[in-house]
Amino acid sequence: DGGITQSPKYLFRKEGQNVTLSCEQNLNHDAMYWYRQDPGQGLRLIYYSQIVNDFQKGDIAEGYSVSREKKESFPLTVTSAQKNPTAFYLCASSISAGGAYEQYFGPGTRLTVT
Amino acid sequence: AQKVTQAQTEISVVEKEDVTLDCVYETRDTTYYLFWYKQPPSGELVFLIRRNSFDEQNEISGRYSWNFQKSTSSFNFTITASQVVDSAVYFCALSGGSNDYKLSFGAGTTVTVRA
Repeated sequence: DGGITQSPKYLFRKEGQNVTLSCEQNLNHDAMYWYRQDPGQGLRLIYYSQIVNDFQKGDIAEGYSVSREKKESFPLTVTSAQKNPTAFYLCASSISAGGAYEQYFGPGTRLTVT
Repeated sequence: AQKVTQAQTEISVVEKEDVTLDCVYETRDTTYYLFWYKQPPSGELVFLIRRNSFDEQNEISGRYSWNFQKSTSSFNFTITASQVVDSAVYFCALSGGSNDYKLSFGAGTTVTVRA
C-alpha cells in the first residue's frame, strides 16, 4: 500500500536530549513537510523540502533540523534548543511543491519531553 | 498574510442531524487554494477536498458538501445526516499560488456525533 509512515507513534525523551523522528513515503512524491500540532491549535509548518538535498524553513524552524538525502525520507531532529518540544508531529508529502497540490499526511508521532 | 478562521471550536449533534462547519479566509492572492481535512481520533489527517479560487462551483460527495463563496471569503462544509464515524476534528486550510508551499490551517472544529 502506498502511504506515509512515521515512527514511532509515541516517543518519550528527557530534557536536553536530541531526538529524531522518522518519516518515509512510497508515493513517489517530490515534496515533503513537517508540521507541529499543539492542543486546540491548527498545524504549523516547521520545515519543507521541494526536492532531494533541498529544504526550507517554515514558520517555526528554531530548535529543529532536517535532512533530505533520499526522496522517500525526510527525518526531523528535535534538538535541545527547542524550548517546548512536547507536541504532536505530522509529516506530509505532495506530488510537487506548491499551493495547488494537496498534501497527504502520516499517522503522526506524539513526542513527550520531561 | 494569509489567515483562516474557524469560529466554531466544538459542535455536538445527535446522529442524523446535519452539521455545517464555517471557514472564513483572508488572502491577498488572486489565485489560491482551499482545503478541508479530517482528523479522526487516530491523529492522521485525511484529505477531503481541494478548491481553487477560480472555481466557485459547489461540490457534493456523498453526505459531504462544500459551499465556496468568494464574495464573503467563505468555504463552508456541511455533513448531511451525520453518523458517529463523522466524529473528528475538521480543519480548513489555505495556500497561495504556485509558489506558496505553505498550508495555513485554521484552529479546527471538533465535531462530536452522539448516537
